[in-house]
Amino acid sequence: AQKITQTQPGMFVQEKEAVTLDCTYDTSDQSYGLFWYKQPSSGEMIFLIYQGSYDEQNATEGRYSLNFQKARKSANLVISASQLGDSAMYFCASLSSNTGKLIFGQGTTLQVKP
Amino acid sequence: GAGVSQTPSNKVTEKGKYVELRCDPISGHTALYWYRQSLGQGPEFLIYFQGTGAADDSGLPNDRFFAVRPEGSVSTLKIQRTERGDSAVYLCASSRGWGGPSTDTQYFGPGTRLTVL
Repeated sequence: AQKITQTQPGMFVQEKEAVTLDCTYDTSDQSYGLFWYKQPSSGEMIFLIYQGSYDEQNATEGRYSLNFQKARKSANLVISASQLGDSAMYFCASLSSNTGKLIFGQGTTLQVKP
Repeated sequence: GAGVSQTPSNKVTEKGKYVELRCDPISGHTALYWYRQSLGQGPEFLIYFQGTGAADDSGLPNDRFFAVRPEGSVSTLKIQRTERGDSAVYLCASSRGWGGPSTDTQYFGPGTRLTVL
C-alpha cells in the first residue's frame, strides 16, 4: 500500500522568501507519480506540479520546483519568492501505475507574512 | 475552458435522507474520480470510472454509497440513509484517461459540502 507523510502541519514564510514543504512517500511500485496540490480557503484543489518516478530531472513549474530524491523517497515542494496568495493548504499525493487513485498526505498549511 | 463542475455547492440534509451529488467533468476526459475530504484531512479516494464503468470502487465505505456514470460523462454519487458521519466535502476530479502516472493529471472540481444534521 502507498503512504504519503507530510510532517509539517503548519509553516510560516516571509513574503518574497523561499520555502520548502516536506513530503516522504512509501511505495513498492516501480512506476509511480508524485503530485502537489494547493487548496486555498475556497476549497478547490489546484494542481501545481508533477514528478514521475523515472524522471531524472527535478520538475519545475514557474515558482514551484520539486526536489525529488528517489533513494530517500522524498518529494519536497520548493516555492520561490513567496507571495501572499500562496497562503493555503498544500497536499502531496502519489499515484500508482497499477491504479488510478491518488493517495494524499495530511497536508501542510502555509502562511505567508507581509 | 470549463473546468470540473459540481452541484450543489452545499447540501444540508437530515439523518436518514437520500442525497445525490453531481459531477460534470472536463470535456473529453474519460476518467472520473470521487474523493471525500473531512475537515483538516487530505482527500480520501472513493471510486474511479474509466468511461461508463467503475474501474475501482474499493474506497466506498459501505453499501449506502453508490455512484453511476451512465453515458461516460456526468457522474452522480448517491448516498442512502445518510448519517452524521457522512458530513464532509465530496470532491470530483477528471483526467484525460488512464495512460499511466506520467500523463494523467487529475483536475478537481470545487467540491460539494455535505452536512447531515
